[in-house]
Order: sequence, then structure tokens, then C-alpha cells
Amino acid sequence: DAKTTQPNSMESNEEEPVHLPCNHSTISGTDYIHWYRQLPSQGPEYVIHGLTSNVNNRMASLAIAEDRKSSTLILHRATLRDAAVYYCILPGYYGGSQGNLIFGKGTKLSVKP
Amino acid sequence: GAGVSQSPRYKVAKRGQDVALRCDPISGHVSLFWYQQALGQGPEFLTYFQNEAQLDKSGLPSDRFFAERPEGSVSTLKIQRTQQEDSAVYLCASSPVGGWNYGYTFGSGTRLTVV
Repeated sequence: DAKTTQPNSMESNEEEPVHLPCNHSTISGTDYIHWYRQLPSQGPEYVIHGLTSNVNNRMASLAIAEDRKSSTLILHRATLRDAAVYYCILPGYYGGSQGNLIFGKGTKLSVKP
Repeated sequence: GAGVSQSPRYKVAKRGQDVALRCDPISGHVSLFWYQQALGQGPEFLTYFQNEAQLDKSGLPSDRFFAERPEGSVSTLKIQRTQQEDSAVYLCASSPVGGWNYGYTFGSGTRLTVV
């Protein structure tokens, strides 16, 4: 079972920031938080991941709460191409640096022009 | 190729027919995963390979499902005696060693419809 809780859907206006929340109250000290997104008719796409500190890359920013029980994916300026289902994931582990992604239902983001 | 390639893109099978779905991972990627995604749901894990070794098959729903990766590159997911509940999109993902740090690359999937 997925170990995260996300809202089923969110709406945003184009060119505005979007904050996608995720709760993961059962997170362990070594769990990385991963975000993937899935555009219509495509496979999931890696967005970002982090452990404790806030993380930034060209796609998004990840803000992690101090107690690590929640996190927020931030899209700084939403575009129509960002309309997708966003998944917040805590992985199952095989040890070392590999693990299995356990998906929930994710948040369906709609972007209005 | 530049990405993970899956074929066929679409497959319609009659109930009871056997099907084989192919995944070509990114060259050199050690890890390979198969997922099943029902309509409106998130992907569900089926099985995991590290090179040719199948290290986890706990997600395979029944003994009608079988996966292999004999030479540690291309993988095939086989479903015997297909049932209507097998209708779903089957996704393949691959990653290099240390995949956590780079993210997993998914293919576009094979949409299987059992009629």
C-alpha cells in the first residue's frame, strides 16, 4: 500500500505557482521522498526527490517539513503542459541505492489558461 | 535508443489467449521494473530484475503472469490464458545502478484489452 496521502485533484491558473501537498506521517529516517508525474497516455516521469533539505531542479522545487512528515512540490510557473497526475512516493527498499516505487492515486493537476 | 521502448503499444487479446509484452530498457541500465496500471489508478508493482536476476516477483497477481530478462537487457512479460481483469496498461521502467539518484525512466506502456 502507498505510504503517502495526497489530494485527489487541484486546479491552477497558467503562469501561477502551484503547491502540491503530500503527507507521509509514517516516513522513516532513511526514506527519500520521490515525486513523479504522469501526462495523459504516457508513462510516469521523474520530477524530483529529497531526504531532508529543500531541493531544486529545472522542473520544480521540493519543500520538506522539518519533521519530514509532509512535503510540498512547487511548480513555480504552471504551464498547460504541466497538467498531469503528480505522485508523491516513499519507496520500498531492496537495500543500497535501489528500491521499488509504490504509487498511490496521486493528485490530478488541471491548469487553466 | 534514448528512452525505454515498449511494444506493442496496443494489444487486443481474446479471453484465454496468451500474450507477450516486450520492454527494451535504456542501454546499460541494470535495473528493470514492470508495473500494471488499471484505468484511473496509479501503477502497481509487478516484478523487479537486476541484470538477468529476478529479485522480486511479489507483485505478480497470479501464476499466469511470468517475466524474464535472459540476457540482462530486453525483458518480456508473458500473460497466459488472459482474463478480462488483465486489461490494463503495462509499464516498464529501467534505471542505472544507484537509480535513486537519477530517477527511473518509464516507457509509454502497452495497453492490453482483453475481450
